[in-house]
Amino acid sequence: DQQVKQNSPSLSVQEGRISILNCDYTNSMFDYFLWYKKYPAEGPTFLISISSIKDKNEDGRFTVFLNKSAKHLSLHIVPSQPGDSAVYFCAASVVGMRFGAGTRLTVKP
Amino acid sequence: DTGVSQDPRHKITKRGQNVTFRCDPISEHNRLYWYRQTLGQGPEFLTYFQNEAQLEKSRLLSDRFSAERPKGSFSTLEIQRTEQGDSAMYLCASSYGQGNNEKLFFGSGTQLSVL
Repeated sequence: DQQVKQNSPSLSVQEGRISILNCDYTNSMFDYFLWYKKYPAEGPTFLISISSIKDKNEDGRFTVFLNKSAKHLSLHIVPSQPGDSAVYFCAASVVGMRFGAGTRLTVKP
Repeated sequence: DTGVSQDPRHKITKRGQNVTFRCDPISEHNRLYWYRQTLGQGPEFLTYFQNEAQLEKSRLLSDRFSAERPKGSFSTLEIQRTEQGDSAMYLCASSYGQGNNEKLFFGSGTQLSVL
């Protein structure tokens, strides 16, 4: 059951520009959302989260936006850096966190 | 290193053999999760423990899969009579959770290849 969907398998942006990664979910019971970043041969690492009582959370270059009515969230990275190149997973927290399929971000110098 | 550790990092086995993986979570974490990830997909939930109790199992977890966390610390995941479709990265994660607002800390995974 694909309760969390990331419809863009890949994204390529130029260094210094904005990266926008999108995620949609179907279960209205989800109340906490996270983004994880994954490098090859490593497990996912936590990046940023947002509770459903908020619509925006910011941490340095990373901002997550939540639109509950549309069941949509997005991750903005500004400015993008080559070291941001990785696979990004959106996740929704029920006990037994559910993940999207991931978006591979490539930031070109 | 106080992160989540998994052993082995890689496992190659022949179809029909049994394999067992181990996960050592962060010591103060009460929740432990197992996920499976295949190429091009996100981590798929398999099962989770709250302390030593296994509280939820995905329907992905067939009868050939069993997980234990006997003392509420480390956990093992066993796959019996492995099949080629079991080839995947098996990820363990832990958290200190009381509700839904938790952050999972992942290990580096065990890459299983079934020949």
